[in-house]
Amino acid sequence: AQSVTQLDSHVSVSEGTPVLLRCNYSSSYSPSLFWYVQHPNKGLQLLLKYTSAATLVKGINGFEAEFKKSETSFHLTKPSAHMSDAAEYFCVVSERGATNKLIFGTGTLLAVQP
Amino acid sequence: DTAVSQTPKYLVTQMGNDKSIKCEQNLGHDTMYWYKQDSKKFLKIMFSYNNKELIINETVPNRFSPKSPDKAHLNLHINSLELGDSAVYFCASSQGTGAGDTQYFGPGTRLTVL
Repeated sequence: AQSVTQLDSHVSVSEGTPVLLRCNYSSSYSPSLFWYVQHPNKGLQLLLKYTSAATLVKGINGFEAEFKKSETSFHLTKPSAHMSDAAEYFCVVSERGATNKLIFGTGTLLAVQP
Repeated sequence: DTAVSQTPKYLVTQMGNDKSIKCEQNLGHDTMYWYKQDSKKFLKIMFSYNNKELIINETVPNRFSPKSPDKAHLNLHINSLELGDSAVYFCASSQGTGAGDTQYFGPGTRLTVL
């Protein structure tokens, strides 16, 4: 079965410094991977997705993620954090089959200090 | 012109009551989903419909019953509400059921059972 593990439940950075949110996946085949963001009391918004094309995926708001098969990782990065980036981030894998069932990680809460 | 909308946004009710949450998407998608987010922010799929046909039915109590009157609507009816049903329920939609098909989420319905 596919799964994702988010290695940090909380990450705190200072405004203007880089962001790194870590995600490892488990899959017996080439997975479809996503990062979603959830701002307080809001729905989920897609940041980016990987579907076996380019391994470096660029998303919205300056975020990007790199698919590394050898490390089974899909870490999310941003060069410079903004206060508005403070939110919960979810790494997600789509289960193989004809249902598009998403398996969510446990989330990483990003805090951005002024 | 909200893509995926849910009503109500907040729902407070007593144990034992029956309630419904409605979801509508105007994206022309064929597939809709219901997710439950618990108090620890963990998200789990509950149901999915494709062209009004049930394709995902996770292990949820049979007090929960989805209804899809047409492709643009997916409602969730909950009978005999229990304290443990308190959560945020998210509706989502996607064009199809392929593993790379992006799911677009609604704003959520916060259900509180007293």
